[in-house]
Amino acid sequence: SAVISQKPSRDICQRGTSLTIQCQVDSQVTMMFWYRQQPGQSLTLIATANQGSEATYESGFVIDKFPISRPNLTFSTLTVSNMSPEDSSIYLCSVRDGREKLFFGSGTQLSVL
Amino acid sequence: GENVEQHPSTLSVQEGDSAVIKCTYSDSASNYFPWYKQELGKGPQLIIDIRSNVGEKKDQRIAVTLNKTAKHFSLHITETQPEDSAVYFCAAPLKAAGNKLTFGGGTRVLVKP
Repeated sequence: SAVISQKPSRDICQRGTSLTIQCQVDSQVTMMFWYRQQPGQSLTLIATANQGSEATYESGFVIDKFPISRPNLTFSTLTVSNMSPEDSSIYLCSVRDGREKLFFGSGTQLSVL
Repeated sequence: GENVEQHPSTLSVQEGDSAVIKCTYSDSASNYFPWYKQELGKGPQLIIDIRSNVGEKKDQRIAVTLNKTAKHFSLHITETQPEDSAVYFCAAPLKAAGNKLTFGGGTRVLVKP
């Protein structure tokens, strides 16, 4: 399976600021995704990161709040903009290997004060 | 609506006993069912998966069973060990989610030594 490196692993941020999370994969992958995991909750898909074009966002998530870049087949970033305490979550990068298997990075634990 | 339901939400077992987690899904067209294990501070790890053309799959102490008619699948962990303590998530692709994986609510498993 692909090795997925995500950074930072954790951060504490002030309300109103933005944080950019990076995801690096050790091989080229077609499908990359960003998930949010609120405290004690399950995994919710934020968006599909499309290489060379705008990301595809799920219901309830918008580009202004969560801009995503995908400049090539091995790298993507997720920015959490104008943060509030409600944004405190784990943010996870994931890739689909082949047809269906989904693998996750180690996550970014974000706390907003 | 279309969803994946997971039970129980918490499970406490004595070391050496078995643990069973069950998930039900709503989309009869779903054909791939993975299970993930998430340890504290880490991203979810794919531990076993099953496709709809088989009824059971086993990998050492873990097994997954699938009942397509009843639309449910279960994770079985035998001879539990303290390192099995984690949160476990099931998932299934749902048409309503564009055939992307939808995750169950998670089961927190505690193995008592």
